[in-house]
Amino acid sequence: GDSVTQMEGPVTLSEEAFLTINCTYTATGYPSLFWYVQYPGEGLQLLLKATKADDKGSNKGFEATYRKETTSFHLEKGSVQVSDSAVYFCALSDNPRSGGYQKVTFGTGTKLQVIP
Amino acid sequence: DAGVTQSPTHLIKTRGQQVTLRCSPISGHKSVSWYQQVLGQGPQFIFQYYEKEERGRGNFPDRFSARQFPNYSSELNVNALLLGDSALYLCASSLGVGAPQETQYFGPGTRLLVL
Repeated sequence: GDSVTQMEGPVTLSEEAFLTINCTYTATGYPSLFWYVQYPGEGLQLLLKATKADDKGSNKGFEATYRKETTSFHLEKGSVQVSDSAVYFCALSDNPRSGGYQKVTFGTGTKLQVIP
Repeated sequence: DAGVTQSPTHLIKTRGQQVTLRCSPISGHKSVSWYQQVLGQGPQFIFQYYEKEERGRGNFPDRFSARQFPNYSSELNVNALLLGDSALYLCASSLGVGAPQETQYFGPGTRLLVL
């Protein structure tokens, strides 16, 4: 079945440091890939997405490229801020073989802490 | 425009009880999905409903059920609560169903504690 593997956290960075959170996936079909962010006590917010191979999703300085050859969708940001502290989830969306619905599979999340 | 709303925000129940959680999707969205997020884990898919019909179900026992109303709002019911049902329950809405590229928009969740 589908699965998503994320690098384990927590990740602690100083402000303005470069961020990479690794994400790899296993899927049987042609999934779309997403990054969601969850701030403390809140639900998930879509950060960015990519729907086909070699697509680059970007938002708020974050970006990720859909790499089919390495089955990866790593999240990067050139200069993190304290306000970026949150839990980041990589997810894939696919149609199960039974069809008819959209199943989203999430990774376990990576907690990012940015210190001033 | 209002986002996905869920009620209640917090709930405390005891083992064996039943609980109903509610969700209102974004206006114009016809699909609602439910997820369970246990502390420290990613959300796990429970159901997806579209046009009042269950279109998909995750690996959850029959104690979990849901329905969708003509206005596209939805309820999640859990019977015979177990301690392990303690989690954040997330509702997500989307325009349609079945397309992998469809973005699901999440509500703030209902935090259920089973004692």
